[in-house]
Order: sequence, then C-alpha cells, then structure tokens
Amino acid sequence: QLHLVQSGSEWKKPGASVKVSCKASGYTFTDYGVHWVRQAPGQGLEWMGWINTNTGNPAYAQDFTGRFVFSLDTSVSTAYLQISSLKGEDTAVYYCARDSNRRTDSWGQGTLVTVSS
Amino acid sequence: SYVLTQPPSVSVAPGKTARITCAGNNIGRESVHWYQQKPGQAPVLVMSDDSDRPSGIPERFSGAKSGSTATLTISRVEAGDEADFYCQVWDSYTDRYVFGTGTKVTVL
Repeated sequence: QLHLVQSGSEWKKPGASVKVSCKASGYTFTDYGVHWVRQAPGQGLEWMGWINTNTGNPAYAQDFTGRFVFSLDTSVSTAYLQISSLKGEDTAVYYCARDSNRRTDSWGQGTLVTVSS
Repeated sequence: SYVLTQPPSVSVAPGKTARITCAGNNIGRESVHWYQQKPGQAPVLVMSDDSDRPSGIPERFSGAKSGSTATLTISRVEAGDEADFYCQVWDSYTDRYVFGTGTKVTVL
C-alpha cells in the first residue's frame, strides 16, 4: 500500500536549519516525482516546488529559492526538504506529496516546523 | 501570476447540494484537480482532471468546467463533508503548480 511518512515535529530557533524527511513505500520511488507544500497556521496551501526522483533535478517556486533545498536518497526511497536561516514566518506544516501526471495523489501526514526563540 | 480564485466559504444544510467554484483566466487550457482537507489532516485528492473521481471517493462528488470556471459539486451533503477544499492546476506556461485560495465548507 502506498505510503508517504514524514519525520516528526521540529522546534528551532531563528537562524537555525531544519531537515524534513519523507519516506515512500508501496511503489517504485523513482517512478514518481515528489512535491513539497507549505501551509502556514490558518492559511491555504502553498506550492514550494518539486523534485524529479529519476534525475534528482529540483524545481523551486519563486518564493522558495535560496534557503530551501530539495534532495533525495533513492537507496532508502526518501526525499528531504532542508530549510536554512530559519525565520519566524517559516513556522508552518510542511507536506510532501507524490506527483501523478501533474496532480498529487498521495500526501505525507505533514511535519510541523515551529521557529521561535 | 496565475491566480485561482475560490469563495472563502460555502454553507449548506445536510442533504442539500454544495457547489464550490474555482475561477482562473486560463483554466480552460489546464486540467483542474480538487483536494479536501479536514482539520488536522493532510489534503486528499477528491476530483482529478476536471471530472474524474478517484477510487474510494463517493459518487456524491462530481466536477465540471465551463469557460474560465471549474466547479466541484457535493450532492446530499453529510456532516462528514465539512472541510476546506482547494482546486489546483499545473500551469503549463510556467511549469508550476497553482493552488486555489481555498473554500471552507460548513454543514449547518
């Protein structure tokens, strides 16, 4: 059965970094891309970008360049989101989701990242 | 930039029909997908490619598109349908996902 399981909640101070993992199971990891989506408290869904799991090439939405990095470890079917120089406005739930013909057909459970001193 | 506009809220009585719209200038050229997000949960795909219902989604959910507006319709609304709903397209001109602004469906 298809599953995306994300790492647990994180609490970080401003200026720190965080790395969120997204482990896939139940399908061939490199056959489907992985998207990352941010949801700030009480807000809507915001697409951050995606990574081609076959080539490793990432693509970032305009507001998510510079401090945000997508990466992979295909040996363990896992995608990663790293955010550096964290700010208070990065406080949000971060989701990974599987791409299927330009839609997302399965989502991780979400990872809450809280940035506060 | 590409914007998909949804009404912030829709209220509906149990057993009635809820219609959620998604408006965008170039929506006619793209496939529209819909997600339901219940409180504290991840979104779930409930409608694909304008009007295809994924496996496991009740037949009460249907989708359509006309001109610059797509519509998700929920018939015979139940209390369990209460959630936020988002439309989504892949903008083929810029190669990026776009989510709608979201609609909160309240069952009275």
